[in-house]
Amino acid sequence: DAGITQSPRHKVTETGTPVTLRCHQTENHRYMYWYRQDPGHGLRLIHYSYGVKDTDKGEVSDGYSVSRSKTEDFLLTLESATSSQTSVYFCAISALLETEAFFGQGTRLTVV
Amino acid sequence: KNQVEQSPQSLIILEGKNCTLQCNYTVSPFSNLRWYKQDTGRGPVSLTIMTFSENTKSNGRYTATLDADTKQSSLHITASQLSDSASYICVVSAWQYSGGGADGLTFGKGTHLIIQP
Repeated sequence: DAGITQSPRHKVTETGTPVTLRCHQTENHRYMYWYRQDPGHGLRLIHYSYGVKDTDKGEVSDGYSVSRSKTEDFLLTLESATSSQTSVYFCAISALLETEAFFGQGTRLTVV
Repeated sequence: KNQVEQSPQSLIILEGKNCTLQCNYTVSPFSNLRWYKQDTGRGPVSLTIMTFSENTKSNGRYTATLDADTKQSSLHITASQLSDSASYICVVSAWQYSGGGADGLTFGKGTHLIIQP
């Protein structure tokens, strides 16, 4: 998986609790992304980063925040989890915006 | 609005047979088109990436075609194997101007392929 590690791989949490997902890369790629994948939808971009401390919103960013304090780590935080955030979350990396993106193995998050 | 439509939604074929998956897109300005394979419970893995000037690209038993005039792409799988059972996702990238918006990637919903012995 091109040196991308997501943690945790599975998580069950209660509504209203904060949750942080971690993406770690060893490829030194500039761009990092967080997507969510739900039945009936294609992968949808939540947030992305184009450098340390440089992030921007994607299509479905409401209820999510991100941070990137080091090149290799990109954190996704759900400030107060809701059932609608039950999903599979994928981290991806790419050297440039136009080049191939490599995906992590995903984190299955269930909010009960 | 940029869109990527894939067909069929699902497909079942016998092992050893060939199949072709379709992708139609309305993405502008076009940069490249990618096909990904996603096994159940895993992240997508890139099969091919094609730019405007490329109309065919192969990766083993996978051959992708691109017709930029009609905005269509296909993924042909030859001599299918049980391990080809997966979802195949078409992704189209639009050129991003200064400002570098990463929302230039438009994902199809995928074709779910099942290979039966």
